Amino acid sequence: DAGVTQSPTHLIKTRGQQVTLRCSPKSGHDTVSWYQQALGQGPQFIFQYYEEEERQRGNFPDRFSGHQFPNYSSELNVNALLLGDSALYLCASSLELQAGYEQYFGPGTRLTVT
Amino acid sequence: DAKTTQPPSMDCAEGRAANLPCNHSTISGNEYVYWYRQIHSQGPQYIIHGLKNNETNEMASLIITEDRKSSTLILPHATLRDTAVYYCIVRLGGNSGGSNYKLTFGKGTLLTVNP
Repeated sequence: DAGVTQSPTHLIKTRGQQVTLRCSPKSGHDTVSWYQQALGQGPQFIFQYYEEEERQRGNFPDRFSGHQFPNYSSELNVNALLLGDSALYLCASSLELQAGYEQYFGPGTRLTVT
Repeated sequence: DAKTTQPPSMDCAEGRAANLPCNHSTISGNEYVYWYRQIHSQGPQYIIHGLKNNETNEMASLIITEDRKSSTLILPHATLRDTAVYYCIVRLGGNSGGSNYKLTFGKGTLLTVNP
């Protein structure tokens, strides 16, 4: 049973550039959430996608956008990168019909902005 | 979602039970208590969740007080691999709609299991 996978594992970008991170949910899951985790902090919710639409968003600027594909996989896009965007980006998947809505996390993508 | 309070750090001897407390005094009647842990540089791992009854699975037990204002996560026989940051999260569960989709993480408790 494949868990949540993310790519790439590590990424180095320059200020002002754009980046795309990818996530494949756990087998059978249909909902994907994205989180940002700065060093020494807990993960912060960016947004969640269900049925190919963003249905909830955290306190992040419009530079952060996403997409969900028909196969439930998802992308996170960040435009005009700032040094402060350096963080571990986590993808979590869940099943809409599962009562507890527990979310299962991938290993994350470490983004460094220089 | 209700706010949670956890001690910043705890130590436990290998083989002993680790009891991690969480205070959630403002929890509402339809909010669940979730526990996750994060081993260094990995994604958070779901452990267990509950509403008002005690819960047990292969990883841990969750004890929720009768007034639901606090809970304890119990790792019955801690190993070195249980060293991690443990997060207690309160949120609406199931088909509650509204803001129940996100997990709001605090700083958690760093549990260090010592040999």
